[in-house]
Amino acid sequence: AQTVTQSQPEMSVQEAETVTLSCTYDTSESDYYLFWYKQPPSRQMILVIRQEAYKQQNATENRFSVNFQKAAKSFSLKISDSQLGDAAMYFCAYRGIQGAQKLVFGQGTRLTINP
Amino acid sequence: GEEVAQTPKHLVRGEGQKAKLYCAPIKGHSYVFWYQQVLKNEFKFLISFQNENVFDETGMPKERFSAKCLPNSPCSLEIQATKLEDSAVYFCASSRPGTAYGYTFGSGTRLTVV
Repeated sequence: AQTVTQSQPEMSVQEAETVTLSCTYDTSESDYYLFWYKQPPSRQMILVIRQEAYKQQNATENRFSVNFQKAAKSFSLKISDSQLGDAAMYFCAYRGIQGAQKLVFGQGTRLTINP
Repeated sequence: GEEVAQTPKHLVRGEGQKAKLYCAPIKGHSYVFWYQQVLKNEFKFLISFQNENVFDETGMPKERFSAKCLPNSPCSLEIQATKLEDSAVYFCASSRPGTAYGYTFGSGTRLTVV
């Protein structure tokens, strides 16, 4: 079974600085998808960024980018120029490619932005 | 509309009572998922559907939980004889088949069992 591990329960960063959230996963599959979701206090789940495992190029969405290391099974999220609105829980998630595959979530990292 | 609609937003039940939650997936999304998020923020997968068929129900406590996704009706998650530990936020998510897109989540139903 696949597992996702986020080893940082909490992180904090100064506004306008850069922060990196860690995620590792375990799978025997060669093709899959990885995601980062943001969950603010409203509890709404917001997709931040996704990565297809067969693509070597790291995904980027504006201030958000990932460092995908397939051999190491690592998928970290970098947030540049942190803003107060980035404060939230961040969840790393894995999904297989066959059918209605469930998302397997990590434990989450609570990110605090210090003004 | 392009949102997953979950109702009700809040539900309070006495221990032992039945609870029924509803989810209308985005039109065209044939995959539906239910997750339970407890106070520690951990997400627990419950069940997934491919159209009206159960795809994976490995997370369902079958003795008290049941779910359906019937054509032309909202999907539903029903808990018979609720227990205190069922208190959580229940999220529904939907997805198109065969794409790399993450799921679109509803805003959740907060179930409180007292």
